[in-house]
Amino acid sequence: QVQLQESGPGLVKPSQTLSLTCTVSGGSISSGGYYWSWIRQHPGKGLEWIGYIYYSGSTYYNPSLKSRVTISVDTSKNQFSLKLSSVTAADTAVYYCAREKADSSGWYDYWGQGTLVTVSS
Amino acid sequence: DIQMTQSPSSLSASVGDRVTITCQASQDISNYLNWYQQKPGKAPKLLIYDASNLETGVPSRFSGSGSGTDFTFTISSLQPEDIATYYCQQYDNLPPTFGQGTKVEIK
Repeated sequence: QVQLQESGPGLVKPSQTLSLTCTVSGGSISSGGYYWSWIRQHPGKGLEWIGYIYYSGSTYYNPSLKSRVTISVDTSKNQFSLKLSSVTAADTAVYYCAREKADSSGWYDYWGQGTLVTVSS
Repeated sequence: DIQMTQSPSSLSASVGDRVTITCQASQDISNYLNWYQQKPGKAPKLLIYDASNLETGVPSRFSGSGSGTDFTFTISSLQPEDIATYYCQQYDNLPPTFGQGTKVEIK
């Protein structure tokens, strides 16, 4: 059974960089076949896709966030990470990591439980 | 980006009622449409993929239909455990986008 678990600071100061890691268990990122995504949800709001990474390191980012986002992968630790720079209060959200099959399936079948990140001084 | 518009934004129904939610895409997305259920404090859960395919393990009272720009999600007989917010999601074009959600409550 695949499990995803987000980790990282719950509080980030404005203008700093938000950093989160998603640890995958029950399956190997390096096996390929899946995109590993970050999705966020502003408090009481809908879902916003941030971007994904493939095990090879290839990425695709939401154009609305592209200038501030970096997603990386560490296959030796079976983890992938999100960095979002120059954060403001508008980046306060629950951040989820999720898995999508890399065969143009387009749906997210496994999700982490989510982690709330608050941007505040 | 493709805009996804769900309606209604919330609804209240009785146990056993048939519940229908609609999702409209701003352009033709074929059948590249998924539905998720999100309970408070939890991650979304995939219910329906490719507009009408039931994810493994999901009760058969959930169903989806539609293609092009207009889609429907139905709960044939509402159960107390179905209280949640439901989201549609398109993946015809990157970035994938979600509807704003429909909150389902028990009357």
